[in-house]
Amino acid sequence: GEDVEQSLFLSVREGDSSVINCTYTDSSSTYLYWYKQEPGAGLQLLTYIFSNMDMKQDQRLTVLLNKKDKHLSLRIADTQTGDSAIYFCAEMSNYQLIWGAGTKLIIKP
Amino acid sequence: DGGITQSPKYLFRKEGQNVTLSCEQNLNHDAMYWYRQDPGQGLRLIYYSQIVNDFQKGDIAEGYSVSREKKESFPLTVTSAQKNPTAFYLCASRFGVWDYGYTFGSGTRLTVV
Repeated sequence: GEDVEQSLFLSVREGDSSVINCTYTDSSSTYLYWYKQEPGAGLQLLTYIFSNMDMKQDQRLTVLLNKKDKHLSLRIADTQTGDSAIYFCAEMSNYQLIWGAGTKLIIKP
Repeated sequence: DGGITQSPKYLFRKEGQNVTLSCEQNLNHDAMYWYRQDPGQGLRLIYYSQIVNDFQKGDIAEGYSVSREKKESFPLTVTSAQKNPTAFYLCASRFGVWDYGYTFGSGTRLTVV
Protein backbone atom coordinates (compact mmCIF):
# COMPACT_ATOMS: atom_id res chain seq x y z
CA GLY A 1 0.00 0.00 0.00
CA GLU A 2 0.92 3.64 0.01
CA ASP A 3 3.46 4.77 2.57
CA VAL A 4 4.78 8.02 4.02
CA GLU A 5 8.10 8.08 5.85
CA GLN A 6 9.73 10.67 8.05
CA SER A 7 12.39 10.56 10.71
CA LEU A 8 11.16 10.44 14.30
CA PHE A 9 13.25 13.21 15.86
CA LEU A 10 14.90 16.50 14.93
CA SER A 11 16.85 18.67 17.35
CA VAL A 12 17.69 22.30 16.54
CA ARG A 13 18.90 25.37 18.40
CA GLU A 14 16.50 28.20 19.07
CA GLY A 15 16.81 30.78 16.29
CA ASP A 16 18.12 28.29 13.71
CA SER A 17 16.09 26.93 10.81
CA SER A 18 14.43 23.52 11.13
CA VAL A 19 14.02 21.31 8.10
CA ILE A 20 11.71 18.33 8.44
CA ASN A 21 11.76 15.84 5.59
CA CYS A 22 9.22 13.36 4.30
CA THR A 23 9.05 10.84 1.47
CA TYR A 24 5.87 9.41 0.01
CA THR A 25 5.03 6.72 -2.50
CA ASP A 26 1.82 7.66 -4.32
CA SER A 27 2.83 9.64 -7.38
CA SER A 28 -0.81 10.50 -8.04
CA SER A 29 -1.26 12.35 -4.74
CA THR A 30 -3.10 15.61 -5.27
CA TYR A 31 -2.37 17.31 -1.98
CA LEU A 32 0.41 16.94 0.56
CA TYR A 33 0.10 18.28 4.05
CA TRP A 34 1.97 19.29 7.15
CA TYR A 35 0.14 19.06 10.47
CA LYS A 36 1.40 20.12 13.90
CA GLN A 37 0.52 18.36 17.14
CA GLU A 38 1.31 19.92 20.50
CA PRO A 39 1.46 17.64 23.57
CA GLY A 40 -1.88 16.08 24.47
CA ALA A 41 -3.71 17.93 21.71
CA GLY A 42 -5.28 17.26 18.36
CA LEU A 43 -3.67 18.00 15.02
CA GLN A 44 -3.59 21.47 13.52
CA LEU A 45 -3.22 21.97 9.77
CA LEU A 46 -0.05 24.02 9.27
CA THR A 47 0.09 24.16 5.53
CA TYR A 48 -0.52 22.13 2.41
CA ILE A 49 0.79 22.08 -1.13
CA PHE A 50 -0.93 21.08 -4.32
CA SER A 51 0.96 18.54 -6.38
CA ASN A 52 1.51 20.90 -9.32
CA MET A 53 3.49 23.31 -7.13
CA ASP A 54 7.19 23.19 -6.26
CA MET A 55 7.20 25.58 -3.37
CA LYS A 56 4.87 27.36 -1.03
CA GLN A 57 5.81 30.01 1.50
CA ASP A 58 3.73 31.21 4.41
CA GLN A 59 5.49 33.55 6.86
CA ARG A 60 8.17 31.42 8.61
CA LEU A 61 7.12 28.24 6.84
CA THR A 62 8.44 27.07 3.48
CA VAL A 63 7.27 23.86 1.85
CA LEU A 64 9.32 22.31 -0.94
CA LEU A 65 8.00 19.53 -3.15
CA ASN A 66 10.20 17.38 -5.39
CA LYS A 67 7.75 15.23 -7.34
CA LYS A 68 10.46 13.33 -9.17
CA ASP A 69 11.94 12.06 -5.90
CA LYS A 70 8.57 12.06 -4.06
CA HIS A 71 10.14 14.21 -1.37
CA LEU A 72 8.45 16.87 0.70
CA SER A 73 10.11 19.18 3.21
CA LEU A 74 8.99 21.76 5.73
CA ARG A 75 11.39 24.53 6.68
CA ILE A 76 10.67 26.60 9.77
CA ALA A 77 12.75 29.77 9.87
CA ASP A 78 13.93 31.27 13.18
CA THR A 79 12.72 28.30 15.21
CA GLN A 80 11.13 29.28 18.53
CA THR A 81 10.31 27.28 21.67
CA GLY A 82 6.65 27.43 20.66
CA ASP A 83 7.51 25.39 17.58
CA SER A 84 8.27 22.40 19.81
CA ALA A 85 5.76 19.76 18.68
CA ILE A 86 5.31 16.68 16.52
CA TYR A 87 5.04 17.44 12.82
CA PHE A 88 3.13 15.02 10.61
CA CYS A 89 3.47 14.72 6.88
CA ALA A 90 0.46 13.29 5.02
CA GLU A 91 -0.50 12.61 1.43
CA MET A 92 -3.98 12.43 -0.07
CA SER A 93 -4.35 9.05 -1.76
CA ASN A 94 -7.71 7.78 -3.05
CA TYR A 95 -9.45 10.56 -1.13
CA GLN A 96 -7.94 9.40 2.18
CA LEU A 97 -5.01 10.74 4.14
CA ILE A 98 -1.95 8.52 4.51
CA TRP A 99 0.15 9.64 7.47
CA GLY A 100 3.80 9.58 8.34
CA ALA A 101 4.81 8.60 11.88
CA GLY A 102 5.53 12.19 12.85
CA THR A 103 8.81 14.04 13.56
CA LYS A 104 9.28 15.35 17.07
CA LEU A 105 10.96 18.74 16.90
CA ILE A 106 13.14 19.41 19.95
CA ILE A 107 14.35 22.96 20.54
CA LYS A 108 17.65 23.48 22.36
CA PRO A 109 18.20 26.83 24.10
CA ASP B 1 -17.17 29.19 17.09
CA GLY B 2 -17.33 26.06 14.95
CA GLY B 3 -15.25 23.03 15.74
CA ILE B 4 -15.06 19.42 16.84
CA THR B 5 -15.55 18.42 20.43
CA GLN B 6 -14.28 15.11 21.76
CA SER B 7 -15.19 13.87 25.19
CA PRO B 8 -14.01 12.82 27.61
CA LYS B 9 -10.40 13.96 27.42
CA TYR B 10 -9.28 11.00 29.56
CA LEU B 11 -11.04 7.66 29.88
CA PHE B 12 -10.20 4.60 31.92
CA ARG B 13 -11.58 1.20 31.09
CA LYS B 14 -11.47 -2.09 32.89
CA GLU B 15 -10.66 -5.25 31.01
CA GLY B 16 -13.75 -6.68 29.32
CA GLN B 17 -15.73 -3.43 29.27
CA ASN B 18 -17.07 -1.54 26.29
CA VAL B 19 -16.58 2.23 26.28
CA THR B 20 -17.90 4.92 23.96
CA LEU B 21 -15.96 7.98 22.88
CA SER B 22 -17.95 11.01 21.82
CA CYS B 23 -17.27 13.20 18.78
CA GLU B 24 -19.52 16.15 17.91
CA GLN B 25 -19.00 18.78 15.22
CA ASN B 26 -20.90 21.96 14.35
CA LEU B 27 -19.06 22.64 11.10
CA ASN B 28 -21.76 21.18 8.87
CA HIS B 29 -19.21 18.67 7.60
CA ASP B 30 -20.47 15.55 5.85
CA ALA B 31 -17.40 13.35 6.38
CA MET B 32 -16.13 12.24 9.77
CA TYR B 33 -13.20 10.04 10.75
CA TRP B 34 -11.78 8.18 13.72
CA TYR B 35 -8.04 7.67 14.04
CA ARG B 36 -5.93 5.86 16.56
CA GLN B 37 -2.51 7.26 17.50
CA ASP B 38 0.22 5.20 19.19
CA PRO B 39 3.68 6.55 20.11
CA GLY B 40 6.09 6.55 17.18
CA GLN B 41 3.39 5.68 14.67
CA GLY B 42 1.33 7.70 12.28
CA LEU B 43 -2.41 7.99 12.57
CA ARG B 44 -4.26 4.82 11.67
CA LEU B 45 -7.80 5.01 10.33
CA ILE B 46 -10.39 3.05 12.32
CA TYR B 47 -13.69 4.03 10.68
CA TYR B 48 -15.00 6.82 8.51
CA SER B 49 -18.38 8.10 7.43
CA GLN B 50 -19.06 10.22 4.38
CA ILE B 51 -22.78 10.65 4.96
CA VAL B 52 -25.39 10.10 7.64
CA ASN B 53 -26.37 6.45 8.18
CA ASP B 54 -23.35 5.19 6.28
CA PHE B 55 -19.85 4.31 7.44
CA GLN B 56 -16.87 2.31 6.22
CA LYS B 57 -14.14 0.30 7.92
CA GLY B 58 -10.68 1.73 7.89
CA ASP B 59 -7.39 -0.10 8.29
CA ILE B 60 -7.85 -1.23 11.90
CA ALA B 61 -11.62 -1.58 12.47
CA GLU B 62 -11.50 -4.87 14.39
CA GLY B 63 -12.73 -4.44 17.96
CA TYR B 64 -14.37 -1.09 17.24
CA SER B 65 -17.87 -0.01 16.20
CA VAL B 66 -19.42 3.30 15.15
CA SER B 67 -22.77 4.84 14.32
CA ARG B 68 -23.76 7.92 12.32
CA GLU B 69 -27.37 8.69 13.12
CA LYS B 70 -26.88 12.45 12.97
CA LYS B 71 -24.64 14.57 10.79
CA GLU B 72 -23.10 16.22 13.85
CA SER B 73 -22.23 13.07 15.78
CA PHE B 74 -19.94 10.10 15.16
CA PRO B 75 -19.41 8.12 18.39
CA LEU B 76 -16.82 5.35 18.58
CA THR B 77 -17.30 2.28 20.78
CA VAL B 78 -14.21 0.39 21.84
CA THR B 79 -15.41 -3.13 22.53
CA SER B 80 -13.94 -5.83 24.71
CA ALA B 81 -12.81 -7.53 21.51
CA GLN B 82 -10.16 -4.85 21.01
CA LYS B 83 -7.11 -6.51 22.55
CA ASN B 84 -4.91 -3.46 22.96
CA PRO B 85 -7.15 -0.41 23.31
CA THR B 86 -4.81 1.88 25.25
CA ALA B 87 -4.11 4.73 22.83
CA PHE B 88 -4.90 8.32 21.90
CA TYR B 89 -8.04 8.57 19.75
CA LEU B 90 -8.61 11.45 17.36
CA CYS B 91 -11.79 12.42 15.57
CA ALA B 92 -11.69 14.54 12.42
CA SER B 93 -14.11 15.92 9.86
CA ARG B 94 -14.22 17.67 6.51
CA PHE B 95 -16.89 18.83 4.06
CA GLY B 96 -16.42 15.91 1.70
CA VAL B 97 -13.87 13.89 -0.24
CA TRP B 98 -13.13 16.94 -2.39
CA ASP B 99 -12.25 19.09 0.63
CA TYR B 100 -8.52 19.32 1.24
CA GLY B 101 -8.69 20.33 4.90
CA TYR B 102 -9.36 18.05 7.86
CA THR B 103 -10.38 19.57 11.19
CA PHE B 104 -9.35 17.58 14.24
CA GLY B 105 -10.73 17.33 17.74
CA SER B 106 -8.45 17.55 20.75
CA GLY B 107 -8.44 13.80 21.31
CA THR B 108 -9.38 11.24 23.98
CA ARG B 109 -6.72 9.27 25.81
CA LEU B 110 -8.04 5.81 26.67
CA THR B 111 -6.25 3.69 29.23
CA VAL B 112 -7.10 0.13 30.18
CA VAL B 113 -6.67 -0.52 33.90
